[in-house]
Amino acid sequence: KNQVEQSPQSLIILEGKNCTLQCNYTVSPFSNLRWYKQDTGRGPVSLTIMTFSENTKSNGRYTATLDADTKQSSLHITASQLSDSASYICVVSAVVIKAAGNKLTFGGGTRVLVKP
Amino acid sequence: DTAVSQTPKYLVTQMGNDKSIKCEQNLGHDTMYWYKQDSKKFLKIMFSYNNKELIINETVPNRFSPKSPDKAHLNLHINSLELGDSAVYFCASSQGRITTEAFFGQGTRLTVV
Repeated sequence: KNQVEQSPQSLIILEGKNCTLQCNYTVSPFSNLRWYKQDTGRGPVSLTIMTFSENTKSNGRYTATLDADTKQSSLHITASQLSDSASYICVVSAVVIKAAGNKLTFGGGTRVLVKP
Repeated sequence: DTAVSQTPKYLVTQMGNDKSIKCEQNLGHDTMYWYKQDSKKFLKIMFSYNNKELIINETVPNRFSPKSPDKAHLNLHINSLELGDSAVYFCASSQGRITTEAFFGQGTRLTVV
């Protein structure tokens, strides 16, 4: 069964500090892994997308890593800002052979609260 | 310009009613999706259409019926609404079946009373 687990469920950090979110997955066959940011009351917005061969990818203050051997990924937020308060969702894509499409499996998200 | 737009944003209705949620994308994508986000914030795929053809149909009650009049639209019709249907429904679109990125709408919060 394809699963994506994220930790911690929530965390509170002070503005300016760094934090790291974790994602473990059992999705197969693996296509790519994405991190999304979802603000309250809005749809998810893509931060990074990594394929099997990519180990790290950055988007501004967000840096994602991928270890396809251990099936783990992390999202590091540097110098956090108040606007970083949101849910961060790890999404793993599996190739659906029959449909020649892909299927996204979502983690439950990590809710980040940045305090001044 | 809104890339993926859903209407309505909020929908409150009584059990047993039939309702529709509309989705339109102006990105020129050929694949559209419907996701359901439950109270635990998990997003689960319901349907996926590519060029108006249904390619993913997860195990959802047949009270849910997607309709794609063209590549830019994927509407979700729900018959005989139940309390358990209360959730936030997200529409998304992408280019190609094996996609690199999906763009999401802002969601429709459905409350069944």
